[in-house]
Amino acid sequence: AQSVTQLDSHVSVSEGTPVLLRCNYSSSYSPSLFWYVQHPNKGLQLLLKYTSAATLVKGINGFEAEFKKSETSFHLTKPSAHMSDAAEYFCVVRFGAGSARQLTFGSGTQLTVLP
Amino acid sequence: DAGVTQSPTHLIKTRGQQVTLRCSPKSGHDTVSWYQQALGQGPQFIFQYYEEEERQRGNFPDRFSGHQFPNYSSELNVNALLLGDSALYLCASSRGSYNEQFFGPGTRLTVL
Repeated sequence: AQSVTQLDSHVSVSEGTPVLLRCNYSSSYSPSLFWYVQHPNKGLQLLLKYTSAATLVKGINGFEAEFKKSETSFHLTKPSAHMSDAAEYFCVVRFGAGSARQLTFGSGTQLTVLP
Repeated sequence: DAGVTQSPTHLIKTRGQQVTLRCSPKSGHDTVSWYQQALGQGPQFIFQYYEEEERQRGNFPDRFSGHQFPNYSSELNVNALLLGDSALYLCASSRGSYNEQFFGPGTRLTVL
């Protein structure tokens, strides 16, 4: 079965410390993988995407993610958290074949950044 | 360049009523996808419209229907509203079915 799992519903870090948001997927095909961020009362914004090129993907605002096929993971990282990073983050998968038109979202990770 | 716009911003309905939500895609985009985001959950795919036809549908009942107009804008209709239909409804547009989707701010629907 095809699925995407975000391992933490809430993550809390101090400003200036590293951020790690974890995501695993299950797929019979080679999927496209994305991370989106959702700030309160704002639309979803694409942070970065993996589409079978380099396994280390750099996104906006200093975020990056590494695709590890052997672990079926696509974890999101940032070296130093900023207060403005506080938001909901979604790991998103575009599976292949008949589901290629739709995006499948994880359940989300709420990131809190403490001063 | 205006992004994806949705109307209305908020809506309150009662059980059994019908509702229509509207979406205008980003300039240059011809494809519209709709998602439902219940409180505390990730968005779930409802359907996608391209060339005025529904091209793919998620696991939603027939009470959910849509339409795409020649100018690429789209409507989402929900009939016989249930309390469980209360959610944030997101519209996303793209240039073609398989390219990056840009999301609107959503319509918050409350069913009482």
